Amino acid sequence: GQNIDQPTEMTATEGAIVQINCTYQTSGFNGLFWYQQHAGEAPTFLSYNVLDGLEEKGRFSSFLSRSKGYSYLLLKELQMKDSASYLCAVKDSNYQLIWGAGTKLIIKP
Amino acid sequence: GAVVSQHPSRVICKSGTSVKIECRSLDFQATTMFWYRQFPKQSLMLMATSNEGSKATYEQGVEKDKFLINHASLTLSTLTVTSAHPEDSSFYICSARDADAGETDTQYFGPGTRLTVL
Repeated sequence: GQNIDQPTEMTATEGAIVQINCTYQTSGFNGLFWYQQHAGEAPTFLSYNVLDGLEEKGRFSSFLSRSKGYSYLLLKELQMKDSASYLCAVKDSNYQLIWGAGTKLIIKP
Repeated sequence: GAVVSQHPSRVICKSGTSVKIECRSLDFQATTMFWYRQFPKQSLMLMATSNEGSKATYEQGVEKDKFLINHASLTLSTLTVTSAHPEDSSFYICSARDADAGETDTQYFGPGTRLTVL
């Protein structure tokens, strides 16, 4: 079957750096997405990786290794507003998104 | 960036009634829209894929006669929950794929509709 694994919850300190990992086993691969979701709101798009390597976008970076079925989202200079759930999603061979359950990130002062 | 709106944002209804949720892409054309349902502390679950001008494709386990989807134009899709019951209470989210987005093919999400069935 298809599976996306992410840690359920992580805690980090304001101003620090945190890395959220995502591993996947899917039927085919056509890209990996990271979304941020604040409680009670819809997800917002953060990043898209389809080739191996690191994509940097401001304080957020996303890394992909297709051979390892692995991605991470790196958040730098954490702010309190970064407290949210971070969802990893992979587009499979049918171009359908397979979603992880999300990682709840708690930022402490 | 691309904006997707949903209406209403919250709705409370009595058991047995029908509720319609609208999803609009405001500044781009969306040939494909998706409807998701999210229960508390769970991941998004795709309910159906809606293509403009054709019948929606429903995921396994989703009743097409209960969740009616209409995608009449390139900017509007509607989801009607017919004969709603308390177990249908959930957060319903639509997303739209920007037809001109190229390889990224990003989905843009609406703000969601919280449905509570009494």
